[in-house]
Amino acid sequence: KAGVTQTPRYLIKTRGQQVTLSCSPISGHRSVSWYQQTPGQGLQFLFEYFSETQRNKGNFPGRFSGRQFSNSRSEMNVSTLELGDSALYLCASSLGIAGGPGEQFFGPGTRLTVL
Amino acid sequence: AQSVTQLGSHVSVSEGALVLLRCNYSSSVPPYLFWYVQYPNQGLQLLLKYTSAATLVKGINGFEAEFKKSETSFHLTKPSAHMSDAAEYFCAVRGNFGNEKLTFGTGTRLTIIP
Repeated sequence: KAGVTQTPRYLIKTRGQQVTLSCSPISGHRSVSWYQQTPGQGLQFLFEYFSETQRNKGNFPGRFSGRQFSNSRSEMNVSTLELGDSALYLCASSLGIAGGPGEQFFGPGTRLTVL
Repeated sequence: AQSVTQLGSHVSVSEGALVLLRCNYSSSVPPYLFWYVQYPNQGLQLLLKYTSAATLVKGINGFEAEFKKSETSFHLTKPSAHMSDAAEYFCAVRGNFGNEKLTFGTGTRLTIIP
């Protein structure tokens, strides 16, 4: 089975621009979660989508948004980029079934640099 | 809400020595617990998970972890460290009510001394 894929792997943007990151989950997985990883803040949860609906949300401003498509692929968008948005953005997929451990499988991440 | 605390942001061990990475969880009921490893410029890889089936959990690459309810701990161990074990390790917790999110600890960077 193919793993979680994320595109692009690297991005360089300037302040004020917007960016869209893409994630394709493992086949059969219906839940996709997004995380931001920085040296100072560590791993921070952004949001989770399940069956095209946002199921959980972290404490990020409204500039961060996401969506999920019917084939479970997900995108996240960051508008009006700030320098502090520079980070590794990780996507993780899981079956999303209630009552189970819900282990997540991660993609390689997208490294976003904001200049 | 569930949380995990990883004691020691940096741990150094000699090659061949015991690896012990500490994780304590906070939860009113036994949750699901996980250990992940992250190598430089890569995503996280699942090492092992606790689902209440057994208190001693064996994972990949020779790692194992023991769930101790009395100590609210889920420490990760490996009997003999290899140079390839150098990475960052994350403990994570998820409640067993509904569809709760996964919460990660702050991570422990493991350095192996030749």
